[in-house]
Amino acid sequence: EAGVAQSPRYKIIEKRQSVAFWCNPISGHATLYWYQQILGQGPKLLIQFQNNGVVDDSQLPKDRFSAERLKGVDSTLKIQPAKLEDSAVYLCASSMAGEASSTDTQYFGPGTRLTVL
Amino acid sequence: GENVEQHPSTLSVQEGDSAVIKCTYSDSASNYFPWYKQELGKGPQLIIDIRSNVGEKKDQRIAVTLNKTAKHFSLHITETQPEDSAVYFCAASYTGGFKTIFGAGTRLFVKA
Repeated sequence: EAGVAQSPRYKIIEKRQSVAFWCNPISGHATLYWYQQILGQGPKLLIQFQNNGVVDDSQLPKDRFSAERLKGVDSTLKIQPAKLEDSAVYLCASSMAGEASSTDTQYFGPGTRLTVL
Repeated sequence: GENVEQHPSTLSVQEGDSAVIKCTYSDSASNYFPWYKQELGKGPQLIIDIRSNVGEKKDQRIAVTLNKTAKHFSLHITETQPEDSAVYFCAASYTGGFKTIFGAGTRLFVKA
């Protein structure tokens, strides 16, 4: 079974530039998560999708961050404009949890390491 | 807001010894408690989990205990091996993965 795919793996940008991250979840997984992991900290949930609908975006800085999940499968996370404090690893995870299943196990991708200069 | 506290932040043990990592959560509605292992350059990987209707769960050298009254849960690794060296995270959430909150992590070093 293929795991969660993310790209790019690394990205370096100047502050005030824009950046986008892509995630392809495990096939059949209804729920998709984006996390921000700052060095030395635990992952922090930014947004959670169930199919193509947002179920929790309470910690997403909506003035600069946006995310969408196309057709309930792939997802993109965008930052515009980036700030120095956005330097972190952005992790995507997926799970089977949804209307037909309450399975909670989240499977994580390798992450995208963003450096903002 | 709700949070999960994790201790210790760093733990160093000799190969073969046991390691214990403790977490405390604040949201009494949390009912699912997974533990993840994260190796350098990789995403977290689930190693064991426990639900609120169970007090203890064991899988080979790894066990997790939950005290709902005190809102504490702990990870126990016995007979540690060098390959157990990694960062371990606890988390608390509702059923379905809602409101997932992670602890700050414990860096475990197992010395050969």
